[in-house]
Parts: sequence; C-alpha cells; structure tokens
Amino acid sequence: DAGVIQSPRHEVTEMGQEVTLRCKPISGHDYLFWYRQTMMRGLELLIYFNNNVPIDDSGMPEDRFSAKMPNASFSTLKIQPSEPRDSAVYFCASSVLAGGNEQFFGPGTRLTVL
Amino acid sequence: AQSVTQLDSQVPVFEEAPVELRCNYSSSVSVYLFWYVQYPNQGLQLLLKYLSGSTLVKGINGFEAEFNKSQTSFHLRKPSVHISDTAEYFCAVSADAGGTSYGKLTFGQGTILTVHP
Repeated sequence: DAGVIQSPRHEVTEMGQEVTLRCKPISGHDYLFWYRQTMMRGLELLIYFNNNVPIDDSGMPEDRFSAKMPNASFSTLKIQPSEPRDSAVYFCASSVLAGGNEQFFGPGTRLTVL
Repeated sequence: AQSVTQLDSQVPVFEEAPVELRCNYSSSVSVYLFWYVQYPNQGLQLLLKYLSGSTLVKGINGFEAEFNKSQTSFHLRKPSVHISDTAEYFCAVSADAGGTSYGKLTFGQGTILTVHP
C-alpha cells in the first residue's frame, strides 16, 4: 500500500489567496483526520471524518477553513482567504477502528503564506 | 474525554545512555495507548502501541513502554540511545469504546529527544 498521500508537499502563496490541500487515505480506512502543526501550538486536530461524514470540526480555527470528503478516497482542506498566521505543516491521517484506532500519517504539506 | 500530559518538553542525553520519556493520561473509560515518533521534516510514525494483554510493550528501534493502570502512565524507554534517535516523540490515547471522542487520538504536547555524541 502506498500509505496516506498528500499534495502538494510544499505550498507558498500570498495573503488573501485560496489554498487547497489534498489527501488520499489508505484504502479501506474509514476515518480521516486533518491536523495542523506549528512551533507555537504543537499538533492540533482540525477536523475528522468517519465514512466521509464530518464528526468533529471543533478544531477548525475559523470560517476561512473548510474541509470536504466527497468520497472514501479523497479529502480536501481549503483556506480562503489565507493569512500569514496559517503558515504551518498540515497533516492528513487515516485509520480503522480495529487495531485500537492507530492512525497512519501522511508526509504533510508545508504551507507558507507571505 | 481523554487528556495526555508529557512531563518533559525536552530531554537531552548522551549517546549510549538510557532514556525515559514520561507520559501520563486521564480518561473515564478504558484506553488504548500509543507512542509516535516524528523525525525532522517528516510525518508521525508509530513506535509502539498498547491495546491489551502484557503491560510491557516492545516497539521498533529498541524502544519499549510500560502501561501502568494504577498510575495512569505509559512511559517510553530505551536502554541505549543512538544519534539517530534524535526526534520528537508524542504520546497519544484513544478510548476503547463509545463516547464522543471515539475513533480519534488525543496527543500530548511532544517531547524533543536530543542525543549528543
């Protein structure tokens, strides 16, 4: 299996632009998670899905952030408009309940907003 | 809900010395416990996990952890560290059934292990 796939790996954009991050979970996994990691705040859970349905989006920082999962093999995290404080590494992870909810992480997308 | 406290934000050690990274958790239900490692500029990788059974769990790269239910701890240990063990280590917990947080992991703040030559 290829593992969790994220694209792009690096994104540099200017303040005010729309940013879309993409994630392909491991086939057969029914949970998908979006995290943000910064030096100041550490690893934060933004939102997670079960069977393509958002379960908990309480970690989404504000209305500029949105996430979708149109099917079992694809999810997006969108920031519109982007701000410099959104600069971070964004991780996607997937899991199944069997095995204790172990999560498998993607390599991350490093976002820089100028 | 669950919470995780990693008692040390940074742990410096010399190569070939033993190390212990401390993790305490709180939960109103039974839990599963995990340690993840994050090398620089990489995603998180699973080191080891406790689901049930023996309280001493062995993982990759010579690490092990012991689940102590009475002390609600899951400390990570390695008898002799290498330079390549320099990384950030995260303790995490999940509920084993039910509840509003079922299916997700709650992570600690991380411990940066730096191994010096």
